[in-house]
Amino acid sequence: GQQLNQSPQSMFIQEGEDVSMNCTSSSIFNTWLWYKQDPGEGPVLLIALYKAGELTSNGRLTAQFGITRKDSFLNISASIPSDVGIYFCAGANAGGTSYGKLTFGQGTILTVHP
Amino acid sequence: KAGVTQTPRYLIKTRGQQVTLSCSPISGHRSVSWYQQTPGQGLQFLFEYFSETQRNKGNFPGRFSGRQFSNSRSEMNVSTLELGDSALYLCASSFRGGESEAFFGQGTRLTVV
Repeated sequence: GQQLNQSPQSMFIQEGEDVSMNCTSSSIFNTWLWYKQDPGEGPVLLIALYKAGELTSNGRLTAQFGITRKDSFLNISASIPSDVGIYFCAGANAGGTSYGKLTFGQGTILTVHP
Repeated sequence: KAGVTQTPRYLIKTRGQQVTLSCSPISGHRSVSWYQQTPGQGLQFLFEYFSETQRNKGNFPGRFSGRQFSNSRSEMNVSTLELGDSALYLCASSFRGGESEAFFGQGTRLTVV
């Protein structure tokens, strides 16, 4: 099925560094969501974006909804060891064949070295 | 407020058997979606239920089915299990589906042997 193009696939960084990852799509989405998943667990919602151009923060996390509605970015500042995990972007639309359906990126595996 | 609850957490089944997984959404949420997660395919949408009606379905064979009860709890069933059905099955709860925030349960890890 369709997936969003998420990059990078993996990142190895030192504690304290900033992290950036992004997601692009060939289709427009009206909602962008960012999740973090730990091994064997379900994804945890980090940030939800509902408006093109919107910039939203959640603690050290900042995400932006691209103006074209075809992309989104997530930044993590001053990384700490507990930031380790897999980060997913997801796009959503309303109605028709989009009801309740999130389209996911492939994920970014983040490793933080103390 | 309680989160999304999935049971069981782990299951081991034999090829050809069938399995039923359960999901209790967040109180007040009427939309429940199901996803299959595998290392090769990532997170793939199975189907979505809202007020006991299936509104959307992904590209999975008919062996995968679901239902939703009047209290919004949902079950998914997989019949005639195949080795390739081994995966983490996740359900997501949201207020109205579509563009609203979706919250995931911890998942059910299904292993088919």
